Amino acid sequence: QVQLRESGPRLLRPSETLSLTCSVSGASMRLYYLTWFRQSPGKGLEWVGYIYFSGYSNYNSSLKSRLTLSVDTSQTQFSLTLTSVTTADTAVYFCARRKLGESKFDPWGRGVLVTVS
Amino acid sequence: VLTQPPSVSVAPGQTARLACGGNNIENVHWYRQRPGQAPLLVLFDDSVRPSGIPGRFSGSNSGDSATLTIGTVEAGDEADYYCQVWDPRLDHPVFGGGTKLNVL
Repeated sequence: QVQLRESGPRLLRPSETLSLTCSVSGASMRLYYLTWFRQSPGKGLEWVGYIYFSGYSNYNSSLKSRLTLSVDTSQTQFSLTLTSVTTADTAVYFCARRKLGESKFDPWGRGVLVTVS
Repeated sequence: VLTQPPSVSVAPGQTARLACGGNNIENVHWYRQRPGQAPLLVLFDDSVRPSGIPGRFSGSNSGDSATLTIGTVEAGDEADYYCQVWDPRLDHPVFGGGTKLNVL
């Protein structure tokens, strides 16, 4: 059974760089996209961006200038890098899997709360 | 844009109907998010239940409004529910603002 788990620092200062990793276990990511979402406290879900196992990616236009998604050669570690963070980037960050040709997200990681203060 | 009512309240044992409004929406997916947890897919492609989701969960879609129906509501159903579609023009997902289901 595939499992996703986010990891990374929980507290950042404004202007620092956020780096998160989504570790995938239990199944291959071949033919799947790894998608990042975030959820600000008390708010709804915001799509951040996605990356295909081959490296193709698409970013939320509001974050594009600061965001980089990548995947390692093992296709089990997916990274999110967001530069010049502000307090508005405080959120729970989730990763989720989406199959090529489909539009649903399943499963999701448990999420990691990142606070910028 | 997907529109969801901010909250719906039902008594235990009753039926909850959560709406998701949009324009020519297709293949609507629904997620349940309990406090402090990740979203969980409860319906996909308008009305298909993933493995492990009870039959009390059902869905429909008229094109301009999708509905998630939860029968015989239990206390454990209290959560935020989000609908989601794919925007092919923008090539990314779109979520509704979420509905908080309150079980009285």
